[in-house]
Amino acid sequence: GNSVTQMEGPVTLSEEAFLTINCTYTATGYPSLFWYVQYPGEGLQLLLKATKADDKGSNKGFEATYRKETTSFHLEKGSVQVSDSAVYFCALSDQALTFGKGITLSVRP
Amino acid sequence: DAGVIQSPRHEVTEMGQEVTLRCKPISGHNSLFWYRQTMMRGLELLIYFNNNVPIDDSGMPEDRFSAKMPNASFSTLKIQPSEPRDSAVYFCASSLDSGGGLNEQFFGPGTRLTVL
Repeated sequence: GNSVTQMEGPVTLSEEAFLTINCTYTATGYPSLFWYVQYPGEGLQLLLKATKADDKGSNKGFEATYRKETTSFHLEKGSVQVSDSAVYFCALSDQALTFGKGITLSVRP
Repeated sequence: DAGVIQSPRHEVTEMGQEVTLRCKPISGHNSLFWYRQTMMRGLELLIYFNNNVPIDDSGMPEDRFSAKMPNASFSTLKIQPSEPRDSAVYFCASSLDSGGGLNEQFFGPGTRLTVL
């Protein structure tokens, strides 16, 4: 079946640091890939997505590239802000969304 | 648009009681999803509907859980009888698509359920 594996957390960074959150997947077929973000006390929001190999999704300074050869969709941001503190979920869709376990990011001023 | 609306936001109940969670999807959306989030298991899909019809309920834990969507603007998730291990945050999400997850899903704020 489909599955998504995210790196273990939590992650704590200083403001303006570079961020990488790893995500790999296992799927049959050619799923679409997503990153969702959950701010404290809220539901999940779509951050970015990619629908086919080599596509790059980007939003709010975050980027992720759909790598079919490594079955990965790592999330990156060049300079994090305190307001980026949240839980980040990688997900894939075939019939419905399959989520990774999420990783908590804390950014210190 | 008000977004996906869930009620109640918090529910505390005793073991054995019936619990009903409610969801109003975004107007015009034709797919609705129920998820459960716990520290141990992360975010799990319980069931999803397309055009009010249940498409995949393989994530529903057991017969104590049931979900209905009587019309395009309302869905319920019922637990009867509830157990302490059902304590979690339950999210409802909706999207406009053909029944899969290819289009963006919009999540409600969740219902935090505590079963004592």
